[in-house]
Amino acid sequence: GAVVSQHPSRVICKSGTSVKIECRSLDFQATTMFWYRQFPKQSLMLMATSNEGSKATYEQGVEKDKFLINHASLTLSTLTVTSAHPEDSSFYICSARTGATNEKLFFGSGTQLSVL
Amino acid sequence: GENVEQHPSTLSVQEGDSAVIKCTYSDSASNYFPWYKQELGKGPQLIIDIRSNVGEKKDQRIAVTLNKTAKHFSLHITETQPEDSAVYFCAASISFIGGGGNKLTFGTGTQLKVEL
Repeated sequence: GAVVSQHPSRVICKSGTSVKIECRSLDFQATTMFWYRQFPKQSLMLMATSNEGSKATYEQGVEKDKFLINHASLTLSTLTVTSAHPEDSSFYICSARTGATNEKLFFGSGTQLSVL
Repeated sequence: GENVEQHPSTLSVQEGDSAVIKCTYSDSASNYFPWYKQELGKGPQLIIDIRSNVGEKKDQRIAVTLNKTAKHFSLHITETQPEDSAVYFCAASISFIGGGGNKLTFGTGTQLKVEL
């Protein structure tokens, strides 16, 4: 399968700081990437759709000023959690579509964010 | 919008036995149904998928069946091994003819435990 690389895998930060998470498609180009959030023992919740060269599309209830998404190239999307607070602590996972019909979704390894 | 229900939420089997996880979906337009395996602290891994023009698909010890009329699909794992222990998610989406698709809607997950 296609490889999606996500960094860092784990980050601990102080409340009020900003954290950037990178998502790279290593062996394919991705015009669209997706960012998910996952709480312990729960399913994946789509936060936003990242579109290369244009603004991201956010799901209802997701603050776009809190979660800044940039998709500057066909292989890189970044999620910045601004002014992080303890309630932002969560597992964040990116994904990208590829495949013969561009329908298969491959995920990164996830980033565990802990805000103190 | 699409709604995907998944059962059971937890499943314990003895090594060597079979495991079956079932999902139902609500949107009859959905035509792409992937299954993901997620190990603790990692991103979901695509293990098998099926499109609505196929009733069954098999890959070694795993198989997926789809009943479009009843709008349900199932994951079957035979000869289970301890390394099969993980959380499994089903999902559904609409795959476009020209490629790509709408967002995936995930089930709530099944914690599979294979006991020795």
